Amino acid sequence: EAGVAQSPRYKIIEKRQSVAFWCNPISGHATLYWYQQILGQGPKLLIQFQNNGVVDDSQLPKDRFSAERLKGVDSTLKIQPAKLEDSAVYLCASSLTASGSTGELFFGEGSRLTVL
Amino acid sequence: AQSVTQLGSHVSVSEGALVLLRCNYSSSVPPYLFWYVQYPNQGLQLLLKYTSAATLVKGINGFEAEFKKSETSFHLTKPSAHMSDAAEYFCAVSDWSGANNLFFGTGTRLTVIP
Repeated sequence: EAGVAQSPRYKIIEKRQSVAFWCNPISGHATLYWYQQILGQGPKLLIQFQNNGVVDDSQLPKDRFSAERLKGVDSTLKIQPAKLEDSAVYLCASSLTASGSTGELFFGEGSRLTVL
Repeated sequence: AQSVTQLGSHVSVSEGALVLLRCNYSSSVPPYLFWYVQYPNQGLQLLLKYTSAATLVKGINGFEAEFKKSETSFHLTKPSAHMSDAAEYFCAVSDWSGANNLFFGTGTRLTVIP
C-alpha cells in the first residue's frame, strides 16, 4: 500500500515570495491534515479536511496561508507571501476516518521550507 | 483543552540500558494518548496508542507505555535500548470529540551510546 506522498521535499525561497506544497493521501482515507513543524517543536495542526470540507482551520494564518482539497483526494497548501517565521517542515497526514478518534494518522515525509 | 508535556528534550542511554521517556498530559475529558517516532528526514510513525482499554499498552519495536490517571502520565519505556532506537519521540493527546485532532508535545530526542 502506497503511503502519503508529498512534494517538493525541500524548498528555499525569499521572504514575500509564494510557495505551494502538494499532498496525496493514502487511497480511501477520508481525512487529511496539514501540520507545521518548526525546528525544536512538535507538529501543530494547520488545517483538517474531511473529504473536501474543512473540519478545523482555526490555527491557519488565513492572511497568508490557504489550502484546498478539491474532489476530496489530494490537497495543496499555499503560502503567499512567505515570512521568515514560516521556515518549517510541513507535514501532511491522512486517516481512514475522523470519527472515533483512534489517532491512527499516517504521515508523509514532509516538505521542508526555508525562507531567506 | 488538551496538551502534553514531555520532560527532557534530549535523553541519552547506553545500548542495552532501559529507555524511559516521560510524558504528562492535561485533558478535561478522558484522553486518547499516543507515542509517535520520527527518524531523520522521515515522517512520524505511530509507536503505540491508549484508547481506554488496557492501561499497559504494547507497541512496535519492543516499546510499551502505561497510562496512569492518578499521575496524568503516559511514559514510554523499553527494557533494552538498541542503536536503531535513536530518533525523536513525540507524545500526543486527542479527545473524544471525533475531530481526531492530535496535540503534540515538543519531542524528546533519544541518543543511544554504543
